[in-house]
Amino acid sequence: EIVLTQSPATLSVSPGERATLSCRASQSVTSYLAWYQQKPGQAPRLLIYDASNRATGIPARFSGSGSGTDFTLTISSLEPEDFAVYYCQQRSNWPITFGQGTRLEIK
Amino acid sequence: EVQLVESGGDLVQPGGSLRLSCAASGFTFSDFTMHWVRQAPGKGLEYVSAMSRDGGSTFYADSVKGRFIISRDNSKNTLYLQMSSLRPEDKAVYYCVKDLFSRSWVSGLDVWGQGTTVTVSS
Repeated sequence: EIVLTQSPATLSVSPGERATLSCRASQSVTSYLAWYQQKPGQAPRLLIYDASNRATGIPARFSGSGSGTDFTLTISSLEPEDFAVYYCQQRSNWPITFGQGTRLEIK
Repeated sequence: EVQLVESGGDLVQPGGSLRLSCAASGFTFSDFTMHWVRQAPGKGLEYVSAMSRDGGSTFYADSVKGRFIISRDNSKNTLYLQMSSLRPEDKAVYYCVKDLFSRSWVSGLDVWGQGTTVTVSS
């Protein structure tokens, strides 16, 4: 099973600033990595698929990069609605696995 | 608008059974792989099961293999998860999820339902 490790566990950033979230895989997932946003009491929402492709309707301030084992989700200028938990997920190998999440909180 | 509406969650005793349903609308259901993902209270996401668009391929997480059965009725645009021999650790919100691209096996977890809650307790 591929283990995804997200860092940091919690990230404190001020609105308007840039946020950088990391996801490291225990073995290569090539580019088969996605990012999701989850707000309290809501279902997750797909942000990025295949490492760098924004899903439909996702603002351009969200971007993904990386390949192999190291991936990054960048939010260029944080809006108040961006404070949430973010998960990475791989589909390279079964079982599909998720990272443990990064909580993005207001500084 | 794509919509997924789960139902069937309930309080059940350990060892009991439950069937979850997911009613899909707003897209051609039979063109997409469908998934179940769960989230225990206060925890992260755990992938449970998948079924291909024609039902010919399935996947189960080890934690549910032999106890859960995924199925679909394309004529009713509905996905199911039959859960048996339930354990306290199966307590979670269960999400039904549509795959990202049509006519692919697995491409991404695109649209999520609002979830249905399963509680396993005596």
